Amino acid sequence: AQSVSQHNHHVILSEAASLELGCNYSYGGTVNLFWYVQYPGQHLQLLLKYFSGDPLVKGIKGFEAEFIKSKFSFNLRKPSVQWSDTAEYFCAVRATGRRALTFGSGTRLQVQP
Amino acid sequence: SAVISQKPSRDICQRGTSLTIQCQVDSQVTMMFWYRQQPGQSLTLIATANQGSEATYESGFVIDKFPISRPNLTFSTLTVSNMSPEDSSIYLCSVGLGGTKETQYFGPGTRLLVL
Repeated sequence: AQSVSQHNHHVILSEAASLELGCNYSYGGTVNLFWYVQYPGQHLQLLLKYFSGDPLVKGIKGFEAEFIKSKFSFNLRKPSVQWSDTAEYFCAVRATGRRALTFGSGTRLQVQP
Repeated sequence: SAVISQKPSRDICQRGTSLTIQCQVDSQVTMMFWYRQQPGQSLTLIATANQGSEATYESGFVIDKFPISRPNLTFSTLTVSNMSPEDSSIYLCSVGLGGTKETQYFGPGTRLLVL
């Protein structure tokens, strides 16, 4: 069965610091990749997605992610975080032929002003 | 994207009772999904609900415990039956949009506490 690993469970950064959240998956076939964000008190929202093509994808609010197939990774990045980026971030993977998503355990990001 | 609503938004229930959660979407969708997010954990898929057919359950989830209805293309219900405190979770529905590049969009969730 496929699995998704997010190695950073809790990250604390100061405003303007750079962010990189790791996401690795275990599945040998073709995958679609997603990052979702859950702001405090809000529901899960799509941040960005990758299906094919350019492995560097850009999402909302200045976030981007890079798909590295050889490393089975889809790390999320932002050059300069803001206090409003405080949230929980989930990586999700969908294997070819399946409709459902497999989620990582999530990373709680706390940005200090 | 889609606008998805869930009812109730939260509830406190006694063990042994059942709760039915409703999910309404503002457009017709083929597939709806039900997830559970236990405290401090990630989302786990309970079942996939296709209109006009029986729901497909993931390993560890059974129809007797989590019966699902899908009467039309914009609505689904999930019932949590014979509840125990271990069922305390957030229950979320989602819909898939986008055809071959399908993306799932999530409802606001139903926060359930079982005493």
